[in-house]
Amino acid sequence: AQSVTQLGSHVSVSEGALVLLRCNYSSSVPPYLFWYVQYPNQGLQLLLKYTSAATLVKGINGFEAEFKKSETSFHLTKPSAHMSDAAEYFCAVGPFPGYSSASKIIFGSGTRLSIRP
Amino acid sequence: DGGITQSPKYLFRKEGQNVTLSCEQNLNHDAMYWYRQDPGQGLRLIYYSQIVNDFQKGDIAEGYSVSREKKESFPLTVTSAQKNPTAFYLCASSSQRELDYEQYFGPGTRLTVT
Repeated sequence: AQSVTQLGSHVSVSEGALVLLRCNYSSSVPPYLFWYVQYPNQGLQLLLKYTSAATLVKGINGFEAEFKKSETSFHLTKPSAHMSDAAEYFCAVGPFPGYSSASKIIFGSGTRLSIRP
Repeated sequence: DGGITQSPKYLFRKEGQNVTLSCEQNLNHDAMYWYRQDPGQGLRLIYYSQIVNDFQKGDIAEGYSVSREKKESFPLTVTSAQKNPTAFYLCASSSQRELDYEQYFGPGTRLTVT
């Protein structure tokens, strides 16, 4: 079965510090992987996606993520946190072409990122 | 501009009433989805549709119904059978083209039932 686990429901970093949000996935087939951001009372916005073209994926707002097959991980990083990065972040895996629920994406439970001044 | 619209942003209903949430997209996407989000929880899939006139139950379909009569529209009805309907509801759509599977989300509707 496919699944995704986000380690840490809440992460707090100082402004200017490194941001690291962890995501591990389980998939029996090569996965598509995504990171989304959600600001309060808004929908989700795509930060970046992995589709097997390159293991290091760069996204919007200075974020990037590295796909590590051996570790089944897809952690999100940003070298220097900004106050505007405070939001909820979701890792997601899927869909799985060829399976009966081909178009489903499975979302992690989310990590709330807080930025300390 | 292409995108997904959900209306209204805030919705208030009395217990026992059915309510329909609107979702429209002009992205020419085949697939559409409805999610429910509760405080401190992730997204839970209610229903999804990969093509017009067809839809499948997600993980928490009980107490909800949908229709997909047009490619652009995927309304969700929260029925009186839904025991705890107060939540933030998100609609999304996606292409079915390979390498282009990401879901695009609307701004959400916050439903409060008292």
